[in-house]
Amino acid sequence: KAGVTQTPRYLIKTRGQQVTLSCSPISGHRSVSWYQQTPGQGLQFLFEYFSETQRNKGNFPGRFSGRQFSNSRSEMNVSTLELGDSALYLCASSSLAGDDRLFFGSGTQLSVL
Amino acid sequence: QQQVKQSPQSLIVQKGGISIINCAYENTAFDYFPWYQQFPGKGPALLIAIRPDVSEKKEGRFTISFNKSAKQFSLHIMDSQPGDSATYFCAAFLYNFNKFYFGSGTKLNVKP
Repeated sequence: KAGVTQTPRYLIKTRGQQVTLSCSPISGHRSVSWYQQTPGQGLQFLFEYFSETQRNKGNFPGRFSGRQFSNSRSEMNVSTLELGDSALYLCASSSLAGDDRLFFGSGTQLSVL
Repeated sequence: QQQVKQSPQSLIVQKGGISIINCAYENTAFDYFPWYQQFPGKGPALLIAIRPDVSEKKEGRFTISFNKSAKQFSLHIMDSQPGDSATYFCAAFLYNFNKFYFGSGTKLNVKP
């Protein structure tokens, strides 16, 4: 069974640009969560989608948005990039809403110059 | 407010030694406490987990000790190996809100 796939692996953008990251969950998994990982801050929760609906949202500005498609694939968008958005963005899937086991992808490393 | 506090930020242990990572939480409603292990270039992977009705769980060289009254839990890695060198995250989960809260991570370096 293929794991969680995130594309692209690396991205370099400049301030003010926008970016879209993609996540394909494990086949059959319907819940997709997004996390931002920065050194010293750990994993900060961005949002979670289940059956195309956003169920949870973290404390990030509105520049961060996401969506989930009918095949459970998810995208995350960051508009008007800032230097502080440089981070590893991780996607995690789980089989059901309320499932306590997360399966993470390898992440997208975003650098904002 | 950080719901889960993790220490230390980094840890160096000699091969064969014991690695200990500590976490403390605020919310007594947390239902589940997993530990994730992350190698460079990879996403975190579930290592071991415990529920609050149990005080200890052991899987091979990895043990979670849980102290409900102190609202603390810790990961012990016995006979630490260089292959254990990774970043470890503790977490706490709320079933009712389907939400994980992660610690800030501990970078473990096991010297050969």
